[in-house]
Amino acid sequence: GENVEQHPSTLSVQEGDSAVIKCTYSDSASNYFPWYKQELGKGPQLIIDIRSNVGEKKDQRIAVTLNKTAKHFSLHITETQPEDSAVYFCAAIPSGGGADGLTFGKGTHLIIQP
Amino acid sequence: DVKVTQSSRYLVKRTGEKVFLECVQDMDHENMFWYRQDPGLGLRLIYFSYDVKMKEKGDIPEGYSVSREKKERFSLILESASTNQTSMYLCASSLGGAAFSKNIQYFGAGTRLSVL
Repeated sequence: GENVEQHPSTLSVQEGDSAVIKCTYSDSASNYFPWYKQELGKGPQLIIDIRSNVGEKKDQRIAVTLNKTAKHFSLHITETQPEDSAVYFCAAIPSGGGADGLTFGKGTHLIIQP
Repeated sequence: DVKVTQSSRYLVKRTGEKVFLECVQDMDHENMFWYRQDPGLGLRLIYFSYDVKMKEKGDIPEGYSVSREKKERFSLILESASTNQTSMYLCASSLGGAAFSKNIQYFGAGTRLSVL
């Protein structure tokens, strides 16, 4: 089955700086990679995703890059703000589809220091 | 907006009790999932269902069962609760289908269960 590794487990950055979270996956057949943000007291919410036929995707201050050869993908947040403080999860869905659930990384607790 | 509602935010139960966690989604989604979330372990899939009365084991099904009698409702059952089942439980649903967008999962707010 798929295995997703996520680093770092905790990341503290100054407000206004950039943050990068990295994930690797094991199943070369995986072809869809969503990122979720979980704020305190809430369930995870999708913030951005990328398909395997795309190398980069951007949405305002957040971007995701994918390197299929190396089997890793990253989340980039620029100009961080206090509301970016949360736990972020990367995930992978194998080529068979998502009916059997996502495989999640263990999460990164992002702390934005004022 | 998709809404996934979990019946309880906090639950305290005693060892050996039978526990029901309920989840309802209002978007006619085919797929529903139960995860547990523990510090340092991330989200782990317990069970999922891709149709009414259908269920499949996830990565950690031991000690749990599920029921899906209606499309919108997916219940997680702890037959005899134990202290190692103290955790945050998250329910999710997805539309289902081949397209990537149909596999986006929408999560409920979670149920924090304490077993004493």
